[in-house]
Amino acid sequence: EIVLTQSPGTLSLSPGERASLSCRASQNLTSSYLAWYQQKPGQAPRVLIYGATRRATGIPDRFSGSASGTDFTLTISRLEPEDFAVYYCQQFSGSPPLTFGGGTKVEFK
Amino acid sequence: QVQLQESGPGLVKPSETLSLTCTISDGSINSYYWNWIRQPPGKGLEWIGYIHYTGKTDYNPSLKSRVTISLDNPENQFSLKLRSVTAADTAVYFCARLKWSAIGGKKNWYFDLWGRGTLVPVSS
Repeated sequence: EIVLTQSPGTLSLSPGERASLSCRASQNLTSSYLAWYQQKPGQAPRVLIYGATRRATGIPDRFSGSASGTDFTLTISRLEPEDFAVYYCQQFSGSPPLTFGGGTKVEFK
Repeated sequence: QVQLQESGPGLVKPSETLSLTCTISDGSINSYYWNWIRQPPGKGLEWIGYIHYTGKTDYNPSLKSRVTISLDNPENQFSLKLRSVTAADTAVYFCARLKWSAIGGKKNWYFDLWGRGTLVPVSS
């Protein structure tokens, strides 16, 4: 089973600042298999990025993803008020189990 | 626009079976992988398992011995049964659609559609 470790647990930032969220896989993971989600309180998650770097339909270009070996990063270039939420990474190669990271909360500083 | 909606009892007693149904509206159950995911209050997401429209299933090994996911094609629904529940199974349960996009010869898997989720407390 591939374990995804997200850091930091909480990121305290102000609107307009840049956010960098990390997701580290416990073993080699093809970048195609990594997605990022945003979840707001009381809502279901929403996909932001798939294939590590591809923005999902309707996602603003301030969201971007990158990959390097077992390390994946979600970057929000300039935080908008609506971006304060919890973010999860998720992996699936086609072979179960599918796993999620523990999440990073982006909160107002 | 395709929508997913979870339904089921609002409360389950310990040792009993949790049963939920996901109804697919304005879309077909054919194609895709149909999933159950849960989230304990204040915690992260846990994948429970999926069923493919062909009937193929796969489950999280940590829950496999207690889980069954089934399909009802004519009704455009799929269901979850989780047996012998305890308080640790208290969670918001989501149904979700898993799809893949082929890019550069590889499949990029992600959940593109979710239900709103339903909280299922396990309590006597």
